[in-house]
Amino acid sequence: DVVMTQSPLSLPVTLGQSASISCRSSESLVSSDGNIYLNWFQQRPGQSPRRLIYKVSNRDSGVPERFSGSGSGTDFTLKISRVEAEDVGVYYCMQGKLWPRTFGQGTKVEIK
Amino acid sequence: QVHLVESGGGLVKPGGSLRLSCAASGFTFSDYYMSWVRQAPGKGLEWVSYISDSGKTIYYADSVKGRFTISRDNAKNSLYLQMSSLRAEDTAVYYCASQAVVAPMHWGQGTLVTVSS
Repeated sequence: DVVMTQSPLSLPVTLGQSASISCRSSESLVSSDGNIYLNWFQQRPGQSPRRLIYKVSNRDSGVPERFSGSGSGTDFTLKISRVEAEDVGVYYCMQGKLWPRTFGQGTKVEIK
Repeated sequence: QVHLVESGGGLVKPGGSLRLSCAASGFTFSDYYMSWVRQAPGKGLEWVSYISDSGKTIYYADSVKGRFTISRDNAKNSLYLQMSSLRAEDTAVYYCASQAVVAPMHWGQGTLVTVSS
């Protein structure tokens, strides 16, 4: 199985500052069709997960522009520019290349 | 607007069975691949199972293979997860999710399954 490793696991941030979360996969996520199926999800406290980013850097509808994804191969990053109070929660990466689908352990973002 | 509502969770004894349902509305259910994802209390997300739009292609996590069966009824806009030989480690909130670009996109609110004697 593809192992997804996130860091850090806990991320205290100051309102208005930027935050970055790293996700590494145990093997390349470049698919045979040339796409990289790396996704990011947000789970606010007490809520269901919500997808933010698909194929590394594409924001889902309604996702604020302050969320951006980047990366290639095995190393990926989710960046939150100008963190707001509503961004508190746990963020997960997930690979969509191979079965079984696998998630990272999650990174808890909290306000300092 | 996409709406997914899970039901069927509850308390079950180890070795028991339970059938989860997910009622879909607000989109053409028969056009979408679907998944079940679970989350143990205080833990992260774990993908459980996937079914294609026609129901012909199915995948399972190793942890549930042979014990869980995913199915769908496109005429009823419903997704199911039949769970048997349940173990304590199957205790979790189970989410159904519609797929888009090979990943869960829209999620339900989840249903809690507790396996305990």
